[in-house]
Amino acid sequence: GQQVMQIPQYQHVQEGEDFTTYCNSSTTLSNIQWYKQRPGGHPVFLIQLVKSGEVKKQKRLTFQFGEAKKNSSLHITATQTTDVGTYFCAGVSGNTPLVFGKGTRLSVIA
Amino acid sequence: SQTIHQWPATLVQPVGSPLSLECTVEGTSNPNLYWYRQAAGRGLQLLFYSVGIGQISSEVPQNLSASRPQDRQFILSSKKLLLSDSGFYLCAWTNGVGGYTFGSGTRLTVV
Repeated sequence: GQQVMQIPQYQHVQEGEDFTTYCNSSTTLSNIQWYKQRPGGHPVFLIQLVKSGEVKKQKRLTFQFGEAKKNSSLHITATQTTDVGTYFCAGVSGNTPLVFGKGTRLSVIA
Repeated sequence: SQTIHQWPATLVQPVGSPLSLECTVEGTSNPNLYWYRQAAGRGLQLLFYSVGIGQISSEVPQNLSASRPQDRQFILSSKKLLLSDSGFYLCAWTNGVGGYTFGSGTRLTVV
């Protein structure tokens, strides 16, 4: 079945440093979504990418969808302590439910 | 606006006891509904999903079952809990376009 791999599993950064997490799918995706889960909380939808090569920005967050629609990345510029949490990518292929990656847990050291 | 309610927030149950977790959605009709489980520090595993009343698809054969008795109600059940059923259970909904909205989750500890 469809698999979504995400790296790295953990990332520790100093406040102000940049952070990137990468996502790869074993199949071509209809769209890819990104979620953030704060410690002790539930996943919260951040964004959806649909088009090949699409790039979207939300303040300090930049999301990219690969040309082949099989990979994606999330880049955070100048991390802040409020960015702490686990970031998940999740892919949709056809009419199937979302398949989540295992997430990247981000720690920010002040 | 749409809201999703999930309860209870935490639950401690003995091995062999039954389980019933309920999820309800307000402010929308005919949502797609999902049950996910998250083991400690791990990713999200899809357990069941439903695209309509009485329609349940199971992703992983295990000690759990799901039911959708009403359009906006999704129930996760077990007749006899196992230690391995411990985890963070999350209900989610979508209208088929855009992202999933998750409930606040139930932390289940089987002892």
